[in-house]
Amino acid sequence: DQQVKQNSPSLSVQEGRISILNCDYTNSMFDYFLWYKKYPAEGPTFLISISSIKDKNEDGRFTVFLNKSAKHLSLHIVPSQPGDSAVYFCAASIYSGYALNFGKGTSLLVTP
Amino acid sequence: NAGVTQTPKFQVLKTGQSMTLQCAQDMNHNSMYWYRQDPGMGLRLIYYSASEGTTDKGEVPNGYNVSRLNKREFSLRLESAAPSQTSVYFCASSRGVLNTEAFFGQGTRLTVV
Repeated sequence: DQQVKQNSPSLSVQEGRISILNCDYTNSMFDYFLWYKKYPAEGPTFLISISSIKDKNEDGRFTVFLNKSAKHLSLHIVPSQPGDSAVYFCAASIYSGYALNFGKGTSLLVTP
Repeated sequence: NAGVTQTPKFQVLKTGQSMTLQCAQDMNHNSMYWYRQDPGMGLRLIYYSASEGTTDKGEVPNGYNVSRLNKREFSLRLESAAPSQTSVYFCASSRGVLNTEAFFGQGTRLTVV
């Protein structure tokens, strides 16, 4: 049973606009949330994370928002650039655990 | 800096053959993981090792065995490969303390025919 869900398999955005990638989770024990970016034929690379004690974390063009009551998080990319085109995975872990639970990914295409 | 290194990068096996996927990290991380990625399925955890000397099953452990050889190395073994094990395999490592990210290797693309 998928505990981390990314319901949009793909997203297309124009360069310079905002990209919003969404993620929902079902396990209320999840305490730490991460976004990974993956290019073809490469391993996932860490992008940004957020702890459940926060509702927002920002790093340059990337901002992650967490709504614990709705069990929802989102990744905002502003402004979007063609180099951002990749598959984005949402992941979550339980406070006392180690392993990450991943969503199925959202393929982002940023067009010039 | 190498990070997480996986070998081989590509492999084709016949059904029933065995093989071991190797993984090594040079970041002095405590925890290591094996994931598989299949189309439309995201990354699913096969096995993990929270620290040297321990291993635990993940979401999809059937058909696999692992060995945490030392702090640096974590291998994944397929004893009798099946076509259902055709996948891309990723090894990852993390410091193993709370709220830290995992670093991934480049992946091994395995095809079982």
